[in-house]
Amino acid sequence: GAVVSQHPSWVICKSGTSVKIECRSLDFQATTMFWYRQFPKQSLMLMATSNEGSKATYEQGVEKDKFLINHASLTLSTLTVTSAHPEDSSFYICSATGGHPKQYFGPGTRLTVT
Amino acid sequence: GENVEQHPSTLSVQEGDSAVIKCTYSDSASNYFPWYKQELGKRPQLIIDIRSNVGEKKDQRIAVTLNKTAKHFSLHITETQPEDSAVYFCAASIQSGGGADGLTFGKGTHLIIQP
Repeated sequence: GAVVSQHPSWVICKSGTSVKIECRSLDFQATTMFWYRQFPKQSLMLMATSNEGSKATYEQGVEKDKFLINHASLTLSTLTVTSAHPEDSSFYICSATGGHPKQYFGPGTRLTVT
Repeated sequence: GENVEQHPSTLSVQEGDSAVIKCTYSDSASNYFPWYKQELGKRPQLIIDIRSNVGEKKDQRIAVTLNKTAKHFSLHITETQPEDSAVYFCAASIQSGGGADGLTFGKGTHLIIQP
């Protein structure tokens, strides 16, 4: 149980384009989903918290107009990186929780912006 | 906001020996402390967690201890095996009845098990 999937697993895009990443909870209803970013050999940094049906809460320093988050259902959240630039290249990982503290992570999406 | 410090950054132990990783946190309101194991290029996997109303928790070879007064918690792995080699992250968050907060992670410990 508690399986979280992400799609795509990796993506390469050109500078200035937008990329959408999907995060799904496969066997439970995720009341809250989180988006993290992880640079190579570094820790995970929380970007935003997303509750189903409401606006996401962004961490300080994360541009909400650049990283658009939608949590339209209890099993799906999406992160859209708009007008991507090379410095946005990173490993993006989502996690989901079903109303208890344990967070289960997706496999991550490696974004490379050329 | 919360700040989590983790030590050491790298830990090398002989197979069969014990490994201890230590973390401190800054926000006394934090009440949930999970530990994750991450292998290269893969997702973090929850290996054990502890809430602030408990001082110690054990699951087979893995144990976590929490000292709320000192704002300090530790991961203990006994009888280490080669498959324990990975990066381990501690984290902290505030959990309330109204919902879950995001995790603040430590910088990670690269655990190397020497055969």
